Amino acid sequence: GESVGLHLPTLSVQEGDNSIINCAYSNSASDYFIWYKQESGKGPQFIIDIRSNMDKRQGQRVTVLLNKTVKHLSLQIAATQPGDSAVYFCAENILQGAQKLVFGQGTRLTINP
Amino acid sequence: DAGITQSPRHKVTETGTPVTLRCHQTENHRYMYWYRQDPGHGLRLIHYSYGVKDTDKGEVSDGYSVSRSKTEDFLLTLESATSSQTSVYFCAISRRGVDTGELFFGEGSRLTVL
Repeated sequence: GESVGLHLPTLSVQEGDNSIINCAYSNSASDYFIWYKQESGKGPQFIIDIRSNMDKRQGQRVTVLLNKTVKHLSLQIAATQPGDSAVYFCAENILQGAQKLVFGQGTRLTINP
Repeated sequence: DAGITQSPRHKVTETGTPVTLRCHQTENHRYMYWYRQDPGHGLRLIHYSYGVKDTDKGEVSDGYSVSRSKTEDFLLTLESATSSQTSVYFCAISRRGVDTGELFFGEGSRLTVL
């Protein structure tokens, strides 16, 4: 049934520190893993993705790590800024050749001044 | 995102009434998606389309139908709305092809069913 009222996992970090957001995925056959950022009142925004044949991928201030052995994904944000405050979702693509994404519940990142 | 618009952005309706949400894109992309977002569930795929008149179900398709009569419009219909369909609905397009995980989302349509 509906899980109304569940609170998101939260992470609070100091401005300037590095943030690490973790995610466990479920499907061993997933070929793509993606991180999205969602600011209040807006739609999710793509941050970075990684193919299943990679362990690490870097973008601008962000790094995604993939551990297929334990089905774990993480997003590292370097030198966290106030604009990084948002809810972060991991997603896995469960159908190769299409884009059928399954999203996690999300983690709320709060930046302390 | 300017290339994708949803309407209406907010709607309040009563149980049992039909509701149609519209997603419009200006970029001629083949793949379009409807997701719903609820507390504790993240985003869940309702239906998606891979071309005009080509649609398929997602993980929470019961109670919803879709239509795609032209490339630019993807309609989501609740034939008889229920309170459990109170949610925020997001449309998304795939700009860079299905070999990536990159979707571009609209701003969302908040639906309240009383």
